[in-house]
Amino acid sequence: DQQVKQNSPSLSVQEGRISILNCDYTNSMFDYFLWYKKYPAEGPTFLISISSIEDKNEDGRFTVFLNKSAKHLSLHIVPSQPGDSAVYFCAARTNSGYALNFGKGTSLLVTP
Amino acid sequence: EAGVTQFPSHSVIEKGQTVTLRCDPISGHDNLYWYRRVMGKEIKFLLHFVKESKQDESGMPNNRFLAERTGGTYSTLKVQPAELEDSGVYFCASSQGVVETQYFGPGTRLLVL
Repeated sequence: DQQVKQNSPSLSVQEGRISILNCDYTNSMFDYFLWYKKYPAEGPTFLISISSIEDKNEDGRFTVFLNKSAKHLSLHIVPSQPGDSAVYFCAARTNSGYALNFGKGTSLLVTP
Repeated sequence: EAGVTQFPSHSVIEKGQTVTLRCDPISGHDNLYWYRRVMGKEIKFLLHFVKESKQDESGMPNNRFLAERTGGTYSTLKVQPAELEDSGVYFCASSQGVVETQYFGPGTRLLVL
């Protein structure tokens, strides 16, 4: 029973444009959300997070938006760079939990 | 500061054999986690240690899997006997506090033939 869903397996964006990666969740107990980035043959690398009391968190070119009522979050990358090409995983956990629940990932390709 | 390290990076074994995976967490991180990603599926939680104690092993698939963390430092995950469906990438992660960011190792790619 998958509680975190990334419905787009892949996304291709031109360099300099905005990349928008989406994530939906079903468990209303989740209150902390993270995005991880993964290059081939490497482990996931933490990118940015957001708690349920926020609706936006920004870190440089990366911004995460949370819509609790829709149980939806998105990661915006502006401007996109070729080095951003990787698989992006959305993850979520509960307030008292530690186990991360991951989506299947979205493979982002940024073309020059 | 060294990140999370895992050994081996790859392992190919035959069904019925035993394999032991090792994880060295970031120094000072009391919390250690094992996750697994089976081909085409999401990364799934297996278990969580705080120091040497297992806090939660609810994600362990069955009793063929045994995890240990002697002395609260490195951890091992043994699969005995291995089955075909155990193939996948096994990730280890560590964090300082339970609700703090988990840092992942590069993973061990296990293939059971």
